[in-house]
Amino acid sequence: EIVMTQSPATLSVSPGERATLSCRASQSVISNLAWYQQKPGQAPRLLIYGASTRATGIPDRFSGSGSGTEFTLTISSLQSEDFAVYYCQQYKDRPLTFGGGTKVEI
Amino acid sequence: EVQLVESGGDLVQPGESLRLSCAVSGFNFKSYAMSWVRQAPGKGLEWVSSITGSGDTTYYPDSLKGRFTISRDNSKNTLYLQMNSLRAEDTAVYYCAKNLIRTFDIWGQGTLVTVSS
Repeated sequence: EIVMTQSPATLSVSPGERATLSCRASQSVISNLAWYQQKPGQAPRLLIYGASTRATGIPDRFSGSGSGTEFTLTISSLQSEDFAVYYCQQYKDRPLTFGGGTKVEI
Repeated sequence: EVQLVESGGDLVQPGESLRLSCAVSGFNFKSYAMSWVRQAPGKGLEWVSSITGSGDTTYYPDSLKGRFTISRDNSKNTLYLQMNSLRAEDTAVYYCAKNLIRTFDIWGQGTLVTVSS
């Protein structure tokens, strides 16, 4: 099983600032990496797949990068609606696995 | 409008069974693989199962194989999850989701399953 590790667990930022979230895989997932955003009481929302492709309707302030075992989600200028928990997910191999999440808070 | 609406969540005792349903509308259901993903209270996301568009192939993590069964009825645009021998650790919100490759691009609102005596 591929283990996904996210850091930091919590990221404190101010609106307008840049946020950088990290995700590491225990073995190479090539570019088979997705990012999700989840707000309290809501279902997750797909942001990025293929490590860097934005999903439909996702603003361009969200960008993904990386390959192999190291990945980054960058939010270029945080808006109030971006404060949430972010999860990475690998889909190279089953079982499909998620990271533990990074909470982005003010 | 694309919609996934889960139902069937309930409070059950350990060892009991439960079947979840997910009614889908707004896209060509039979053309897409579908999945279940769960989230224990205050915890992260866990993939539960996936099924191909035709329904002929199913996938599970080893930890759930044998207790959970995913199925679909393409004539009813409905996805199912049969859960047997439920345990306290199965307590979670269960989401159905449409697959994009093996990611999840559209999610339902979730249904809560509580396993407790």
